[in-house]
Amino acid sequence: AQKITQTQPGMFVQEKEAVTLDCTYDTSDPSYGLFWYKQPSSGEMIFLIYQGSYDQQNATEGRYSLNFQKARKSANLVISASQLGDSAMYFCAMREGVRQGAQKLVFGQGTRLTINP
Amino acid sequence: DGGITQSPKYLFRKEGQNVTLSCEQNLNHDAMYWYRQDPGQGLRLIYYSQIVNDFQKGDIAEGYSVSREKKESFPLTVTSAQKNPTAFYLCASNPLGTGDGYTFGSGTRLTVV
Repeated sequence: AQKITQTQPGMFVQEKEAVTLDCTYDTSDPSYGLFWYKQPSSGEMIFLIYQGSYDQQNATEGRYSLNFQKARKSANLVISASQLGDSAMYFCAMREGVRQGAQKLVFGQGTRLTINP
Repeated sequence: DGGITQSPKYLFRKEGQNVTLSCEQNLNHDAMYWYRQDPGQGLRLIYYSQIVNDFQKGDIAEGYSVSREKKESFPLTVTSAQKNPTAFYLCASNPLGTGDGYTFGSGTRLTVV
């Protein structure tokens, strides 16, 4: 079963507009973490933002915010005032539990965001 | 600065040959991971390790092997048994038990001809 679902294969947005990238997740573990990464054409994975399942407030990092709706199992990324440099693939990822051992990240299929001038 | 080094950046091999991808980190992280990415797709977990001399299979381990003889190093061997080895391979690490702090390498693009 798909644990992370990103339903938007591609998004096209005008520069300076806000954009929301969708992510839904599936887990029965009460403790989990949600991540968003940006992957430019060079291939590196750039960490953007993190939300823990017990965090009371939505995470924010500069122009990035995470719209966390726990009951709906939704963790959408909002980018305000988009810039041309935001054009990239964006991945939502989840890790389940906080235990002693290694904790795997599970990734969605990604959304390709294109910012038009 | 601390980080993960993957080498080489591009690798070409003939079909039927084994090839080893390097991953070295100087972050003192215990946990290390190998992911595979196909074009336009998300990352899928191949193998992971939480301590020296110990590693576990991920979701797509068939045709791959790893070793963890040193804390800093987690090389991945793509064997001839891997049916479709052409892909982008990413190595990552994080401190054990923290649930975050994942660091990724810059990746190796493997092409088998």
